[in-house]
Amino acid sequence: SQTIHQWPATLVQPVGSPLSLECTVEGTSNPNLYWYRQAAGRGLQLLFYSVGIGQISSEVPQNLSASRPQDRQFILSSKKLLLSDSGFYLCAWSVGASGRGETQYFGPGTRLLVL
Amino acid sequence: SQELEQSPQSLIVQEGKNLTINCTSSKTLYGLYWYKQKYGEGLIFLMMLQKGGEEKSHEKITAKLDEKKQQSSLHITASQPSHAGIYLCGADDGNKLVFGAGTILRVKS
Repeated sequence: SQTIHQWPATLVQPVGSPLSLECTVEGTSNPNLYWYRQAAGRGLQLLFYSVGIGQISSEVPQNLSASRPQDRQFILSSKKLLLSDSGFYLCAWSVGASGRGETQYFGPGTRLLVL
Repeated sequence: SQELEQSPQSLIVQEGKNLTINCTSSKTLYGLYWYKQKYGEGLIFLMMLQKGGEEKSHEKITAKLDEKKQQSSLHITASQPSHAGIYLCGADDGNKLVFGAGTILRVKS
């Protein structure tokens, strides 16, 4: 069966520090991968998605970036965190090429607090 | 782009009571997903609907998609404390999902 992991689970970082969040998927090949952010009192915001190694699409301009160095690994990074980067970061995966009718399955999330 | 509006924003029900959560779209829905989230955790997939008039059930939760494919409802029968959490609807929008803001459900024992 497929599983998705995220780490760390919780992170407290000072403003201006770098960030690296990792997401890995097991039990499937060539998944579509997604990074979402869920801020307090707001819905899920899609940040990045990837349909293959090295292929990243950005949905929202910001100081975050994403990379996919391996088929089942998705990394969210920042060179300098802002206070507004605080939130709950969720990684998700799906399988398919059409982009429709593909259920996304979510990881446990990483809670980031920038102080 | 696709926009989803959920109602109510939150509700509190007595254990054993039925409840309904609605999700309304600004466009025709090609795929509508329901998820449940407990605070501080990831989303758990509940059901996906694609066809107008489609209805699916899992245990005491039933989801429906209207014939015009612009509105979905999630109905919980005889609510239990385990049903408490945030319910989110999501919809296909190109090659991504867009989500509603969520409905917070509290169940009083």
